[in-house]
Amino acid sequence: KNEVEQSPQNLTAQEGEFITINCSYSVGISALHWLQQHPGGGIVSLFMLSSGKKKHGRLIATINIQEKHSSLHITASHPRDSAVYICAVGSGSARQLTFGSGTQLTVLP
Amino acid sequence: NAGVTQTPKFRVLKTGQSMTLLCAQDMNHEYMYWYRQDPGMGLRLIHYSVGEGTTAKGEVPDGYNVSRLKKQNFLLGLESAAPSQTSVYFCASSPGQFGYTFGSGTRLTVV
Repeated sequence: KNEVEQSPQNLTAQEGEFITINCSYSVGISALHWLQQHPGGGIVSLFMLSSGKKKHGRLIATINIQEKHSSLHITASHPRDSAVYICAVGSGSARQLTFGSGTQLTVLP
Repeated sequence: NAGVTQTPKFRVLKTGQSMTLLCAQDMNHEYMYWYRQDPGMGLRLIHYSVGEGTTAKGEVPDGYNVSRLKKQNFLLGLESAAPSQTSVYFCASSPGQFGYTFGSGTRLTVV
């Protein structure tokens, strides 16, 4: 069974700060997902990674397969980035996900 | 373009009652999943399906049953609800290689 650990659990930042959220997992995977969940509960997929780095706007996700580690970076953070960010790893024949417990990010104006 | 639609969005059940949660997707995805989300824990897989007519157990299947009679629909049933099944339930679908689409969730309270 894959264990997925996220850090930190809670993060408060000032608007404009650079933010990093980390994720580590214990077993080899087919892909790693970064998800965003806003108050009210909907889950949105931000990235799916199997190697290297991806960028979308102010968000950057990286993965190191050898070290079983991924990071999500947010540049020039904004209050609208406040949400729970969830790391999930896919494995198995049905690509089912194992989730971390999430990082609650609050960006203050 | 609806994506993944879950019904109902909210429900309160009494212990012992039964109900069915419906998940519908319009993206022709093969894979569908039911997860539950509890405070302080990551989402956990209840059941999943790799295609029409197939289902399989996930990490926490006890007390739940599922069916996938049509490719676009994945139903989650609770035959006799228990307070431990109070949770937020998420359905998701995937084409198998290119990521997930999640429904908006169903908040279920069992009293």
